[in-house]
Amino acid sequence: NAGVTQTPKFRILKIGQSMTLQCAQDMNHNYMYWYRQDPGMGLKLIYYSVGAGITDKGEVPNGYNVSRSTTEDFPLRLELAAPSQTSVYFCASSLSPGQGARENIQYFGAGTRLSVL
Amino acid sequence: AQKITQTQPGMFVQEKEAVTLDCTYDTSDPSYGLFWYKQPSSGEMIFLIYQGSYDQQNATEGRYSLNFQKARKSANLVISASQLGDSAMYFCAMRPGISGYSTLTFGKGTMLLVSP
Repeated sequence: NAGVTQTPKFRILKIGQSMTLQCAQDMNHNYMYWYRQDPGMGLKLIYYSVGAGITDKGEVPNGYNVSRSTTEDFPLRLELAAPSQTSVYFCASSLSPGQGARENIQYFGAGTRLSVL
Repeated sequence: AQKITQTQPGMFVQEKEAVTLDCTYDTSDPSYGLFWYKQPSSGEMIFLIYQGSYDQQNATEGRYSLNFQKARKSANLVISASQLGDSAMYFCAMRPGISGYSTLTFGKGTMLLVSP
C-alpha cells in the first residue's frame, strides 16, 4: 500500500524561484493537509482541504498556494521562494473526522526537505 | 487556543526498560483527540496511538500505551520493553472536537535515545 506519496524528497531553490510540491494519496481520504516542520519544532499547518475543490488556510499560509482538483492529489505551490521557507514539508491525509479513532488519524507522507538559498 | 507542552527535550533509556514521555495539553473544548507520532531519523511521521477524550479506557497499541489523566490534562506515552529501534523523536498532538475539521496542534517533541 502506497499511502501518502510526496515528491520530490529533496530540493534546493534559489531565492525568487517557484516550485510545486506534489502529494498523492490512495486511501480515498477526503481530508488532506500540508504542514511545515522547522528545526527543533513541531509541525505547523499551512493549508488543508476537506474534499475536491475545497481548500482553506491553516496557521502559516503566507507564501503558499494549494489546489485540490481530485480526491487523490493536493499539490502545494511556492511562489517567489524565500529563505524563511527553508523547512521540511509534510503532506497528510485522513478520513472525515468523527468519533472513532480511525476517523481521526492523520497519515503522513515521507516529507520533502526544501532549502532556499 | 490549544496548546501542547512536552517538557522533556531528550530522554535516555536502556534497552528492555520502560520509559514515559510526558505531554500536557490545554483546551477549552469538552471533547478532543490526543495523538502520539514517532519521527525516526529518516524523517517520516509514524502514527503510534490515539486517545479520545471520552474513551473510558486508556489506549494501548502493542508496546505503546497512553496514560490519560483527564483532570490533570496529561496524556503521557509509555513505551514498554524499549528497543534500539525506538530511538526517535516523539510528538504529542491534539485535535479539539471530534467531528468536522479542526487543527491538529503539535508539541515540540521529545528525543528518545535507547542504549544497549
